Amino acid sequence: DTGVSQNPRHKITKRGQNVTFRCDPISEHNRLYWYRQTLGQGPEFLTYFQNEAQLEKSRLLSDRFSAERPKGSFSTLEIQRTEQGDSAMYLCASSPGVGLSFGSTDTQYFGPGTRLTVL
Amino acid sequence: GENVEQHPSTLSVQEGDSAVIKCTYSDSASNYFPWYKQELGKGPQLIIDIRSNVGEKKDQRIAVTLNKTAKHFSLHITETQPEDSAVYFCAASITGGFKTIFGAGTRLFVKA
Repeated sequence: DTGVSQNPRHKITKRGQNVTFRCDPISEHNRLYWYRQTLGQGPEFLTYFQNEAQLEKSRLLSDRFSAERPKGSFSTLEIQRTEQGDSAMYLCASSPGVGLSFGSTDTQYFGPGTRLTVL
Repeated sequence: GENVEQHPSTLSVQEGDSAVIKCTYSDSASNYFPWYKQELGKGPQLIIDIRSNVGEKKDQRIAVTLNKTAKHFSLHITETQPEDSAVYFCAASITGGFKTIFGAGTRLFVKA
């Protein structure tokens, strides 16, 4: 499968615990995005990477959230001291970079998401 | 701040009928408007998109229209089928930018 993959697909944790999610983008894509989606809402932008550089963070991303993309390939999103309000679907997307001959930088391809439940 | 409003939130149609979903955006700099379909347990999948230099785009049973002056864009699905049942999201962004603003979604039910 050459699409965006995310692991785990589901995570149940107790309040106060730390969790980490992983995203593997489409291999040729150098842009990677994290979104949060709550029930009945559209995805909300959290953060954006171009290669390994994190270029933008939403104010939704509190100090308890951190994202990395150490080698410009896969990315991780960590939530520390989880709260019940963190329960949501966390989506990852990727898109081609400028200058690549295929696809548009604007077209984002989403993974299946990681559903987090904080008890 | 930037905002995308989407209506209706729920739409129920009979198989074979048409479905129309409407969106309004607030940021006049937006020039790229994708539409995504999300099925249960899956991530959003792009179904069609339109850029601001085009007023209409069609792909088989799906069409999108854009009115830049009014900052409105719409999704039209003709000859609906039960497999079209899903949640549809409109979105707006700026070409080359990183931030895409999504609408709240429309849950489409197609009754056989």
